[in-house]
Order: sequence, then structure tokens, then C-alpha cells
Amino acid sequence: GENVEQHPSTLSVQEGDSAVIKCTYSDSASNYFPWYKQELGKGPQLIIDIRSNVGEKKDQRIAVTLNKTAKHFSLHITETQPEDSAVYFCAANPRQKVTFGIGTKLQVIP
Amino acid sequence: DGGITQSPKYLFRKEGQNVTLSCEQNLNHDAMYWYRQDPGQGLRLIYYSQIVNDFQKGDIAEGYSVSREKKESFPLTVTSAQKNPTAFYLCASSTLTGQYNSPLHFGNGTRLTVT
Repeated sequence: GENVEQHPSTLSVQEGDSAVIKCTYSDSASNYFPWYKQELGKGPQLIIDIRSNVGEKKDQRIAVTLNKTAKHFSLHITETQPEDSAVYFCAANPRQKVTFGIGTKLQVIP
Repeated sequence: DGGITQSPKYLFRKEGQNVTLSCEQNLNHDAMYWYRQDPGQGLRLIYYSQIVNDFQKGDIAEGYSVSREKKESFPLTVTSAQKNPTAFYLCASSTLTGQYNSPLHFGNGTRLTVT
């Protein structure tokens, strides 16, 4: 089955700096790579996703890149703000069954 | 507003008791899922269902049961056979697409504590 590795597990950045979270996957059949943000006590919410026929996607301060050859994908957050503090999960799903990374706790220090 | 409702938010049970967690969606999604979240372990799939009256085991189905009698509802029963039931449980739903999968829509979870 699919195996998704995510790092780092925790990340602290100063407000205004950039944050990068990286994931690798194992199943070459994976073709959809979403990123979710989870705030304390709530369920995860989709923030951005990328499909395997695209190398990069951007939405305001958030971007995701995909390297299918290396089976890597990354989340980039620029100009971080305190409200970006949360746990971020990457995921991959070769079929309908989604496999999540372990999560990255991001702390943005004002 | 469309969304997924999980109830209750907090649930306390004594060891040896079965407990049922509710999940209702009004998004008209075909697929529904149950995940368990433990600190440092990400999200692990318990059960999923793509159509009414049909469901499949996920990675950690032992000690759990589900039903899908209506498209909108996917309740999860945590049985006394589940050895470590204390956790945060998340319900999710999605559409079923063709070549590419679609994102999951999550509820706000139920925190179950068994003592």
C-alpha cells in the first residue's frame, strides 16, 4: 500500500518568514496530493491540492510543488502570519483510500 | 450551509461498554469515512463506504463496526473489543470522481474517553 512520509514534525518560524513542509510517497499510482490544515479541536480542512499532471500550483501565500520522478511534494507558505499556526497534513491517494502523513505542527512566532 | 456534523463533541464511557458516534452529511456525497487520530500518529482509516449498504475495512478496523443505511449517515460503533478506544474520531465525506480523487470534507470530530 501507499506510504507517506512527512517532515519536519514541528516547525517554528518568525512571522513574515516562509515555511516549507515536505512529503514523499511510495506508490507511483498516486495521482492526487491534497494538503490539509487542522486547527486545535477541529477537523482538517483542505487548503490546496495538486494533481499528477501539474508540477506546481499557487493560491495567494500558499503553493505546492510536485516532483513525480522523485515522488516528492512540498507545501510552501510565504509571509507567514500567526493564524497560520496549526497542524498541516499531506496526503496521497492512489485509489479512493487516502494515506496521510504524520503531520507538521507549525508555530508562527509574532 | 452544507457540511458534516459529528455528535457529540465529547463522549465519556466506562470500559466494557459499546458506544456509537454519529456522523451526518448534507453535501450529497457518495463516500464517507471514519478516521482515528492519536497524538503523533496522524490520521488512520477505520472504515469507509462508497455506497449505501456497503462498506470496507480500513487499516485499523478491529474493534469497530459501522453501518450505511442512508446516504447521509455513517455511524461508528466502538465496541468493547477495541483495546485502546480513547482517541479523537473524525468523520469525512467526498464525491467519487473519475481519474482523479476528490478532497475530503471533515467534521469537527468526537473526542472519546474511556476509563
